[in-house]
Amino acid sequence: TQLLEQSPQFLSIQEGENLTVYCNSSSVFSSLQWYRQEPGEGPVLLVTVVTGGEVKKLKRLTFQFGDARKDSSLHITAAQPGDTGLYLCAGAHAGNNRKLIWGLGTSLAVNP
Amino acid sequence: DVKVTQSSRYLVKRTGEKVFLECVQDMDHENMFWYRQDPGLGLRLIYFSYDVKMKEKGDIPEGYSVSREKKERFSLILESASTNQTSMYLCASSFDSGYEQFFGPGTRLTVL
Repeated sequence: TQLLEQSPQFLSIQEGENLTVYCNSSSVFSSLQWYRQEPGEGPVLLVTVVTGGEVKKLKRLTFQFGDARKDSSLHITAAQPGDTGLYLCAGAHAGNNRKLIWGLGTSLAVNP
Repeated sequence: DVKVTQSSRYLVKRTGEKVFLECVQDMDHENMFWYRQDPGLGLRLIYFSYDVKMKEKGDIPEGYSVSREKKERFSLILESASTNQTSMYLCASSFDSGYEQFFGPGTRLTVL
């Protein structure tokens, strides 16, 4: 059972465009992490959100945790080719946080 | 900086061979994880370990075993490799449950 749904699965945009990717669940998470993975490498953490309604910014990337802590979004402003990669969200449950629950990812291609 | 290293970037084995994948982390992390990543299936947890000599099955443990004799080293063993175990294998470590996971670069295993 896929507990974290990411959308869209694939996204191809031109440099300078804005985009939003989503990570949704019916479960409540104590925290949610966003990672970026480049081809041939392991995922690297971008941000962790822990409070419902929390917004975090990382340069042109804005992350939001839903009020009910069931969903999250990642917004990229003025995308650049260097933003190309696979974006993964992963959630930790309060009751059993030994394992992270992973989404399938959004594959983003930013064309120059 | 945390460093997670994996013994090989690319590996080609024959069906029926015993395969060892080694992972070493240098930050004294308690938790270590083995995942496989396949297109359309995302990251799937094979096994994880929360202490030396302690291990717990993940979502897809069949056909795999693990060993953690020292805190810094976590090995994944394919007792008798099969073609359906052709995949990208990623090792990760984290300070504690639910915390950021640091990934190695991955081993792309091909079983012929």
